[in-house]
Amino acid sequence: GDSVTQMEGPVTLSEEACLTINCTYTATGYPSLFWYVQYPGEGLQLLLKATKADDKGSNKGFEATYRKETTSFHLEKGSVQVSDSAVYFCALSSPAQKLVFGQGTRLTINP
Amino acid sequence: GAGVSQSPSNKVTEKGKDVELRCDPISGHTALYWYRQSLGQGLEFLIYFQGNSAPDKSGLPSDRFSAERTGGSVSTLTIQRTQQEDSAVYLCASSYAQGKGYEQYFGPGTRLTVT
Repeated sequence: GDSVTQMEGPVTLSEEACLTINCTYTATGYPSLFWYVQYPGEGLQLLLKATKADDKGSNKGFEATYRKETTSFHLEKGSVQVSDSAVYFCALSSPAQKLVFGQGTRLTINP
Repeated sequence: GAGVSQSPSNKVTEKGKDVELRCDPISGHTALYWYRQSLGQGLEFLIYFQGNSAPDKSGLPSDRFSAERTGGSVSTLTIQRTQQEDSAVYLCASSYAQGKGYEQYFGPGTRLTVT
């Protein structure tokens, strides 16, 4: 079945460092891909999405490109801030409409 | 506008009791989803509604779990004879329509603790 594999955490960086969180997927057909973020004490929020190959999703300085040839959707940010500390989930939307999530990556940014 | 709301926000129950969790989706959203977030299993899909019907119940972990949706709006997830392994955060999400490109908006969740 469909699955998502994320880079294991936790990840700890200093402010202004570059961030990459790896995400690869296995799916039948052509899923849509998402990054969701869960800030401390808050619910899941959509960070960005891409619905077809070579699409780039972007929001709040984060970017991810839908790479069909490598079945990847890596999350990147050029300069992280303390406020980016959160748990990040990569997900795909299967033909059955449900979201299939990766295991989550906890990111901590130190000042 | 109002987002997805869930109640209660926290529920502590004794093993063997039944619990009901409620979800109010965003007005006008036709699709509604239940997920479970637990330490051991991560985020798991439970069930999906399109209108009042549930085309996909594949994620319900046992026959102790059931869900219904009435009036194309509010949904209730019921867990009968709760077990300790049912302890988790139960998340509800809704989307404007079905389809892989539609964003799912999540509620704050109900934290269930079975003692």
